[in-house]
Amino acid sequence: QITLKESGPTLVKPTQTLTLTCTFSGFSLSTSGVGVAWVRQPPGKALEWLALVYSNNDQRFSPSLRNRITITKDTSKNQVVLTLTNMDPVDTATYYCAHRFDYGGLDYWGQGTLVTVSS
Amino acid sequence: DIQMTQSPSTLSASVGDRVTITCRASQNVNSWLAWYQQKPGKVPKLLIYKASSLESGVPSRFSGSGSGTEFTFTISSLQPDDFGTYYCQQYNSYSTFGQGTKVEIK
Repeated sequence: QITLKESGPTLVKPTQTLTLTCTFSGFSLSTSGVGVAWVRQPPGKALEWLALVYSNNDQRFSPSLRNRITITKDTSKNQVVLTLTNMDPVDTATYYCAHRFDYGGLDYWGQGTLVTVSS
Repeated sequence: DIQMTQSPSTLSASVGDRVTITCRASQNVNSWLAWYQQKPGKVPKLLIYKASSLESGVPSRFSGSGSGTEFTFTISSLQPDDFGTYYCQQYNSYSTFGQGTKVEIK
């Protein structure tokens, strides 16, 4: 049974760096073709794909956020960490991590964590 | 950047109706396209991957087709539980979601 859970701060100040951790179970990030993605959703708005790390450590980023995002994996801890620098109120959103299987869909999602950016 | 444009943005249909949503990519994404359903306050649910493959456990009334830049998602006979917002997602290299189509039951 695959599960994922996001953790991190619920409130950050403008210009700060957001660090979110995705802790998962039921799969290994050493399995070929598997990945963990981050997706966010501002309140009442559409989904926005942020980043993805594959089991081989190949990383993909949203072009619009490439210069603000890092994504790292710790295979031994079953964790993926997303950092987003220079936070702004427009970054207020529910942040999800999700399991990407080898045909590409995001088939398992965490419950999401709401991050508010406010001074 | 690859932009994904869905149409319509909203639709209202009756139970039993055939419902079709279109997703257009700004450049070729081959068949690397997925469809999701999201209900209010809930996590997105994968319905279709690789343009036309039905995710395990998803009812057969849901289907997808297309390749390249034009994709279609169809609900063959709309059911009361099918309300929600539907998103397409390309994953040809990085990934992008469409802006969503809200489906309401008349």
